[in-house]
Amino acid sequence: AQSVTQPDIHITVSEGASLELRCNYSYGATPYLFWYVQSPGQGLQLLLKYFSGDTLVQGIKGFEAEFKRSQSSFNLRKPSVHWSDAAEYFCAVSSGNTGKLIFGQGTTLQVKP
Amino acid sequence: DTGVSQDPRHKITKRGQNVTFRCDPISEHNRLYWYRQTLGQGPEFLTYFQNEAQLEKSRLLSDRFSAERPKGSFSTLEIQRTEQGDSAMYLCASSLPGRPPNEQFFGPGTRLTVL
Repeated sequence: AQSVTQPDIHITVSEGASLELRCNYSYGATPYLFWYVQSPGQGLQLLLKYFSGDTLVQGIKGFEAEFKRSQSSFNLRKPSVHWSDAAEYFCAVSSGNTGKLIFGQGTTLQVKP
Repeated sequence: DTGVSQDPRHKITKRGQNVTFRCDPISEHNRLYWYRQTLGQGPEFLTYFQNEAQLEKSRLLSDRFSAERPKGSFSTLEIQRTEQGDSAMYLCASSLPGRPPNEQFFGPGTRLTVL
């Protein structure tokens, strides 16, 4: 069965520091992978997605993610975190035929000044 | 177009009552999804429509839940005889069809509290 695991429930980083959020997936075929961000009181917003090709994908707000098939991972990175990045981050895999998303349980990012 | 909208944003009800939520997708999107998100968890898929046809339902969608999308436009999600375990955020998303899948745009959600 398809599944997504985000091992870190909560992460705290200092403003200006680098960030890496981990995501591992289980999927039989080539996965379609996504990262979404959810700020308090806001809907989910797509940060980036991977379908095929270059394994390093760029997204909005300075985020990037790297697909590693051998590790079944799709980790999200940002070189320098801003206070406005504090939010909840979700990794998801899509079931290709219907497009439905299977989400991980999320990682809450706190940014220290 | 201002995106996906959901109404109401908040609903408080007593156990045993029926509730109905509405989702208005982006106008040209023929795919519509409902998800449920409980505290500290990621959204879980409930059901999927392509135009007016409901093509997939999760096992999470018990007999007390029903969803419709008449005329392939807005959608409603009804919960009958609500239980405290139904308390959650109900999210709606819409997208264009395609493979690879197109981006799903999410609404702000309806937060349900069952007392």
